[in-house]
Amino acid sequence: EDQVTQSPEALRLQEGESSSLNCSYTVSGLRGLFWYRQDPGKGPEFLFTLYSAGEEKEKERLKATLTKKESFLHITAPKPEDSATYLCAVQSHLIQGAQKLVFGQGTRLTINP
Amino acid sequence: NAGVTQTPKFQVLKTGQSMTLQCAQDMNHNSMYWYRQDPGMGLRLIYYSASEGTTDKGEVPNGYNVSRLNKREFSLRLESAAPSQTSVYFCASTTGGAGEKLFFGSGTQLSVL
Repeated sequence: EDQVTQSPEALRLQEGESSSLNCSYTVSGLRGLFWYRQDPGKGPEFLFTLYSAGEEKEKERLKATLTKKESFLHITAPKPEDSATYLCAVQSHLIQGAQKLVFGQGTRLTINP
Repeated sequence: NAGVTQTPKFQVLKTGQSMTLQCAQDMNHNSMYWYRQDPGMGLRLIYYSASEGTTDKGEVPNGYNVSRLNKREFSLRLESAAPSQTSVYFCASTTGGAGEKLFFGSGTQLSVL
């Protein structure tokens, strides 16, 4: 059974204080690892897809990396607008072309000015 | 672009009442999904539709039914609501295929008393 565990559950940082969020996963065959951002009262919004160990992707202050067992979301010099819940999900197979993602419980990130 | 539109945004039901959550997307996506989100549980897949005319169960389908009305619309029905179905419900869509990002609606907050 595919499983995703995110840590920490919550993280509070000062503006400019860099840190990393962790996503540990077990999956039968990884076809994609996803990061989403979710603001309060809204649906998740796509950030990155990673496919294989060693892959990295960047967007503004965010960089996602992938190993065979975990992914990290690095946040460099964060700003208050980076405050959100960050969700990790894995895709192990397609069913008739549809994705069946397994999500972690999320990390709630708060950046204090 | 409207993207994925869900209605209603909020709903309060009494135990045993029925209701239908509506979802429509205007991106010509093939696959559509219904998720529920509960505190500490992450997003869990209820039902999905890989393409128009097909639907299938996800991780937590009990107590729900779905209809893929056409390529644009995918509804979720609660026939006899129970307090355990109190949750935030998200509809999502994608073109289909490995690694394709999901586009989420803004959610329906449902309380069953």
